[in-house]
Amino acid sequence: AQSVTQPDIHITVSEGASLELRCNYSYGATPYLFWYVQSPGQGLQLLLKYFSGDTLVQGNKGFEAEFKRSQSSFNLRKPSVHWSDAAEYFCAVVLTSGTYKYIFGTGTRLKVLA
Amino acid sequence: NAGVTQTPKFHILKTGQSMTLQCAQDMNHGYLSWYRQDPGMGLRRIHYSVAAGITDKGEVPDGYNVSRSNTEDFPLRLESAAPSQTSVYFCASPTDKGPFYNEQFFGPGTRLTVL
Repeated sequence: AQSVTQPDIHITVSEGASLELRCNYSYGATPYLFWYVQSPGQGLQLLLKYFSGDTLVQGNKGFEAEFKRSQSSFNLRKPSVHWSDAAEYFCAVVLTSGTYKYIFGTGTRLKVLA
Repeated sequence: NAGVTQTPKFHILKTGQSMTLQCAQDMNHGYLSWYRQDPGMGLRRIHYSVAAGITDKGEVPDGYNVSRSNTEDFPLRLESAAPSQTSVYFCASPTDKGPFYNEQFFGPGTRLTVL
């Protein structure tokens, strides 16, 4: 069955440190890929997306993500984390065949230490 | 242009009571979805609609009903609420009028507690 895995439930980093959030998907073809961020009490907001083309995509707030087909991964990165980046991050895929299906990962909660 | 709005923001129900969660969009979009968000489970789609008069089941539809009488509104109804329906509910629509698989714009959510 198709699935999205975010193996890290919680991640804690110090302000200014680099960050990588992992996302792996299980699907026979290349899906459309997204990262969303959710601040406490808020809805989800898009950070970046990948449909095709350059496998390194730039997003909002200094985030980037790299699509690696061989690893079925779409990891999110940021070179220097700010305290305001503390939030929950969701990876999502849209399957590109059959019935439209939008699958979210279980999320990674990021804590930033001052 | 408010995008996607949801009411109420919070609500508490007793088991067996009924409730309608409201979703409205002013972007003239056809596509709307309802999701529930539970800890450790991410977001799961309940029902969706591609246009007025057309609705379909998502991945977790049991215990919920929807209707779509016009483009703007997409209410979600719980006929007989159960504690398992305690969750945060989001209505969402693609950000453009284009492909339905485009990134989604989420409403602010409704936090529902069923006692």
